[in-house]
Amino acid sequence: GENVEQHPSTLSVQEGDSAVIKCTYSDSASNYFPWYKQELGKRPQLIIDIRSNVGEKKDQRIAVTLNKTAKHFSLHITETQPEDSAVYFCAATPRNQFYFGTGTSLTVIP
Amino acid sequence: GAVVSQHPSWVICKSGTSVKIECRSLDFQATTMFWYRQFPKQSLMLMATSNEGSKATYEQGVEKDKFLINHASLTLSTLTVTSAHPEDSSFYICSAPRRDRGYEQYFGPGTRLTVT
Repeated sequence: GENVEQHPSTLSVQEGDSAVIKCTYSDSASNYFPWYKQELGKRPQLIIDIRSNVGEKKDQRIAVTLNKTAKHFSLHITETQPEDSAVYFCAATPRNQFYFGTGTSLTVIP
Repeated sequence: GAVVSQHPSWVICKSGTSVKIECRSLDFQATTMFWYRQFPKQSLMLMATSNEGSKATYEQGVEKDKFLINHASLTLSTLTVTSAHPEDSSFYICSAPRRDRGYEQYFGPGTRLTVT
C-alpha cells in the first residue's frame, strides 16, 4: 500500500502563531489529499483537501499546498486559536483507498 | 450532509468470543467501505476495503480469518472480530466514499472494543 509520512508528531505553538504540518507520500497514483482533524474519541473531520491538478488551496485560516513532483503536501494554519488543538492527519489516496499519515498532535497555548 | 453510522459505539467482550460491528451509510449508497483500526494516540490504520457483492480486500498483515468482513448491501458493511483477544482491543472506524462528491470520505463515529 501507500506509505505516508507525517511530521512533526507533536507541535506546540502560541496562540496567534502559525502551525505547519508536512506529509510525504510514495504512490504517484494518489491524486486526492485530504486533511482531517480528530478530537479524542471522535471521528476524523475533513478540514481541507486538495486535488493533484491544484498547487494550493486556502479556506480562511487554513491552507494546503501540494508539490506532486516531490510527492509532498503541507497544511498551514494561521492565527491559531486554542480550539485548533487536536490531532491532525493527512491522507493520500491511490486508487480511491485512503492511507493516513501518523498524525500530529497540535497544542495551541493561550 | 452524508451520514455514516456505526453500531455499537462501544462493546466489552470476553476473550474468545466474537464481536460484530456494523457500518451503515444512511443517506447514500456505498459500493465500497473501508475499515480502520486506531490505537490510542496513533493514526488510523487501513485494515481492509469492503466491496459490495464481492470479497473484501485486506491490507498486508491483517488476518482475513480474524477480521471477517461482509458487505451485504449497498448501505451496510459488517466487521466481525472472531475469537477476540485483549490485543484486539482498539477503536475501529469505518468510512464510505461518496461518488457524487468526488469520493469524499464520510467516517462513522467509531466503535470502542475492549476485550477482557
